[in-house]
Amino acid sequence: DAKTTQPNSMESNEEEPVHLPCNHSTISGTDYIHWYRQLPSQGPEYVIHGLTSNVNNRMASLAIAEDRKSSTLILHRATLRDAAVYYCILRNAGKSTFGDGTTLTVKP
Amino acid sequence: GAVVSQHPSWVICKSGTSVKIECRSLDFQATTMFWYRQFPKQSLMLMATSNEGSKATYEQGVEKDKFLINHASLTLSTLTVTSAHPEDSSFYICSAIFGGSSYNSPLHFGNGTRLTVT
Repeated sequence: DAKTTQPNSMESNEEEPVHLPCNHSTISGTDYIHWYRQLPSQGPEYVIHGLTSNVNNRMASLAIAEDRKSSTLILHRATLRDAAVYYCILRNAGKSTFGDGTTLTVKP
Repeated sequence: GAVVSQHPSWVICKSGTSVKIECRSLDFQATTMFWYRQFPKQSLMLMATSNEGSKATYEQGVEKDKFLINHASLTLSTLTVTSAHPEDSSFYICSAIFGGSSYNSPLHFGNGTRLTVT
């Protein structure tokens, strides 16, 4: 199964943009890149996903490298409510394995 | 948006008893549901994949006789932890897919069940 690697933690100031990176160098052509976030004692929440092109929704933007070996989740203006663990996973015919994720801390 | 309801949100049981956790897709039909376990400060670990009307597929190392999964309808999957022991204490989370097993479909998660075995 294709794996993803993310930094353990990142910090951001409130109302500033945040770029959360994810490496997936063994990605296959049919793997979709998904991002989820999880608050303490809650189930994960879907954020965004894409295949090849950059994607935007009301929560975030997803920038996918041309070779698809990495991607970046962009929160345009971080709020305190964005503090969470962010998971980047690949979804395809195999299992969708969750890595350790990135713990985002947002400072007021 | 698609909603997945998980019940109960927390449960305390005595060692040796069984506990059932329900996962319902409230506004969509979920042909596939997934069950995860999460220990404190750790990531989600996939336990099994549940397909409506067929036997669940368990991940390596997960005892199928201990963690019974039933997916009897398109909106309900249940996980029963049989003969629970303190080491089974964990956060159990289900997820479901709207739109079949398309990898272009987001995973919709329940809010999890905190199981404590005393």
